[in-house]
Amino acid sequence: SQKIEQNSEALNIQEGKTATLTCNYTNYSPAYLQWYRQDPGRGPVFLLLIRENEKEKRKERLKVTFDTTLKQSLFHITASQPADSATYLCALGGDSSYKLIFGSGTRLLVRP
Amino acid sequence: GAGVSQSPRYKVAKRGQDVALRCDPISGHVSLFWYQQALGQGPEFLTYFQNEAQLDKSGLPSDRFFAERPEGSVSTLKIQRTQQEDSAVYLCASSFWRDEQYFGPGTRLTVT
Repeated sequence: SQKIEQNSEALNIQEGKTATLTCNYTNYSPAYLQWYRQDPGRGPVFLLLIRENEKEKRKERLKVTFDTTLKQSLFHITASQPADSATYLCALGGDSSYKLIFGSGTRLLVRP
Repeated sequence: GAGVSQSPRYKVAKRGQDVALRCDPISGHVSLFWYQQALGQGPEFLTYFQNEAQLDKSGLPSDRFFAERPEGSVSTLKIQRTQQEDSAVYLCASSFWRDEQYFGPGTRLTVT
């Protein structure tokens, strides 16, 4: 069955450093991958979408890579700030399906 | 403009009671999704509407779960004869088509 793995342990980094979160998947060939941010008590908020034919996408301090050979996406936040502390979810989607399959998320803590 | 809204935000039900959860999507969004999110997990797909048509209900856990979107806008998720395992956050999301999804704040259901 399809499986998505994200670091289950929280990532704890110092303000100003780059945070790198990993999303690995198996038994799936997604047409695109999305990253969402979720704060406690709130719904997920869309951050970035990257398609299978794209290697990298950037938005301000965010960068996402997508390696369909390794079946992996990396999500980077540069110059991290305490306000970036949240849970980050990756989600996979296919062209023939409107469904998103979510990972369990990685909690990021940025220390001031 | 207004985002996705959900009501109630919190619901406590006694085991065996029926509950109805409401979702108001962003105006003009064709697609509407319901997800279930357990503590510490990512959202899990329940069902999908394209306008008023329910195209996929494969994620509904049992026949006690029922969703509708009669006029292609507001949607209701109904759970009959609630059980303790139904306790979770229920998220609604809408999108224009098959792209980024906009989530509501969720309804936290607790079954006692």
